[in-house]
Amino acid sequence: GAVVSQHPSRVICKSGTSVKIECRSLDFQATTMFWYRQFPKQSLMLMATSNEGSKATYEQGVEKDKFLINHASLTLSTLTVTSAHPEDSSFYICSVPSMGSGELFFGEGSRLTVL
Amino acid sequence: AQSVTQPDIHITVSEGASLELRCNYSYGATPYLFWYVQSPGQGLQLLLKYFSGDTLVQGIKGFEAEFKRSQSSFNLRKPSVHWSDAAEYFCAVGANGNKLVFGAGTILRVKS
Repeated sequence: GAVVSQHPSRVICKSGTSVKIECRSLDFQATTMFWYRQFPKQSLMLMATSNEGSKATYEQGVEKDKFLINHASLTLSTLTVTSAHPEDSSFYICSVPSMGSGELFFGEGSRLTVL
Repeated sequence: AQSVTQPDIHITVSEGASLELRCNYSYGATPYLFWYVQSPGQGLQLLLKYFSGDTLVQGIKGFEAEFKRSQSSFNLRKPSVHWSDAAEYFCAVGANGNKLVFGAGTILRVKS
């Protein structure tokens, strides 16, 4: 079964509105979660590292005020795209590292379309 | 800086033929290497990983990959491709599974 769950899988919103995407670790607690973004026909690019109990760490070029990350608990991280614009339309994927095996488990992804 | 190069954007193979997807990496220390597969509109599924030990790694769905330190490569292979293998494949490098850097991906098409 799924180890990481993302919701919603698809969302369409109007320009200027905010959208929240949830990422849940189903099988184990995660003090860290990663948020990736994938534009059409491109690879995954790390946006930020979500840290339980502290601020998220953003990669260079990612606006922290636009992409709000909240690691609410050891099993939940949320990504909120604020004041969304059409160029924010993308596939957002979260991942959870397994402390034991060293691999990343990925969610199913959330496709955001901003009209 | 870490980087991953997948030289082939698209590859087309006939069903039943063998497959090799290339991956070269640049990493300052001993790398953790991964191959993931992504079906259209879906998340990523881990095919296999290499951390240490035997350089030939077996994965799911009949895939294997060989780590060659001298060539900084981690090529993915399958002896006989099935139509269901059509997808996009990503090679990734990182440290202990954190902050993976992904290659650009290779789209595999399987013709019958």
